[in-house]
Order: sequence, then structure tokens, then C-alpha cells
Amino acid sequence: KNQVEQSPQSLIILEGKNCTLQCNYTVSPFSNLRWYKQDTGRGPVSLTIMTFSENTKSNGRYTATLDADTKQSSLHITASQLSDSASYICVVTPNTGFQKLVFGTGTRLLVSP
Amino acid sequence: NAGVMQNPRHLVRRRGQEARLRCSPMKGHSHVYWYRQLPEEGLKFMVYLQKENIIDESGMPKERFSAEFPKEGPSILRIQQVVRGDSAAYFCASSPLRGNDQPQHFGDGTRLSIL
Repeated sequence: KNQVEQSPQSLIILEGKNCTLQCNYTVSPFSNLRWYKQDTGRGPVSLTIMTFSENTKSNGRYTATLDADTKQSSLHITASQLSDSASYICVVTPNTGFQKLVFGTGTRLLVSP
Repeated sequence: NAGVMQNPRHLVRRRGQEARLRCSPMKGHSHVYWYRQLPEEGLKFMVYLQKENIIDESGMPKERFSAEFPKEGPSILRIQQVVRGDSAAYFCASSPLRGNDQPQHFGDGTRLSIL
């Protein structure tokens, strides 16, 4: 079983609509939780990074939340654009002394005109 | 200010050949990480290197795989005697410092196909 589970696996929304992606993790203890965006054929690009003591972090139209008690995180995308079509990956950094990142399998988002 | 550069972007090898994947980290970054992404799976950690040193290679297969990050030049991930199961996207990332809270900047990967 993956230590980082994401849902849904894929999602289609209309341009301009909002959406929320979910992440559940079992990695413990952990240092921080990150959300990355990965366009097809490209490397992941960092959107947000939150330590275990942070509840929310925003980056433009992206807002991530973290509940360290329930080990859940969400990524909310506001007013979606066609360029938001990508995979969104939840990544947890275990508290190992260096960044041995643990990746979820991602949610594939398609924003339709 | 170039990002992480990986080459080649695509590499085709026949079974039994060697594959060499190169990664040049961002300027000023001395910490390099290699990941493998199999189809429909998430990225999996392989190895963490700092200049001239392998810090952690716990995610790397014991046989046929090796990595280096010399004092001069790019980091190299080397796969000897490739097999079909080695077909994957290999990503490199770099960070300026070692700490857990440091950002990791990724290259666009090398897509390795084994015939």
C-alpha cells in the first residue's frame, strides 16, 4: 500500500470552475508536505510546501491545506484555466535528515473549454 | 539562470546495452537526487548524492545501477546490461542545501526505452 494516496485519480472540470484534490498519507514522522504540478512530458514543478505546523499555504489560485492530526491534505484550485490541465502530485518528506521524498501517484486534471 | 538540465531527453537501448543518463544541477546546487517513474506510478527515490559522495542509495537496485556526481561535470546515472523493466522516465532534482525544508527543482527527465 502506498504511503501517500491521492484522490480522485482523474478529474474533468469546465474552465472557470473550482476543484479540490485530496491526499492522505501514512508517512510518520514527517517534516513537510508538498504539492507539485507535472505537465505531460515535463518534470514536477513545486506549488506549495507546508511544515507540519502549518494549516494552509497559498500560491496564486492554488491553496493547500494540511491537517497533521488526520494526516490529510487538500489542494484547492480556484477559477481553473486550460493551462491547469496537468497531474497534481502530493509529496511527503519523512523526517530522515535529508529529503527522501515520498510521492503519491497524482491526480490527472483536465480543464475543458 | 538555467534550471536542472537532463540529457538526453529520450534514449533508446537494446537489451544488454548500457544507458548513461546525465544531470546538470542548477547553478550553485551541490545536492542531486535521482528518481524513477514507471508508467502509471509515482516517482520513486533512487539515490541522493552530494559532490563526490553518495549519501543514500537505498532506492537503487543493487545490481546494474550506479550513480556518481564528480567534482567537475554533471551527475551520471548508469544502467548496465539494460532489461525491458528498466523502461521508465528518470528524473533528476537538485537543491542548494541538505535540509528537509529545502526546495527540490526537477529536470524534465530522460525517457528510457528498451527494445
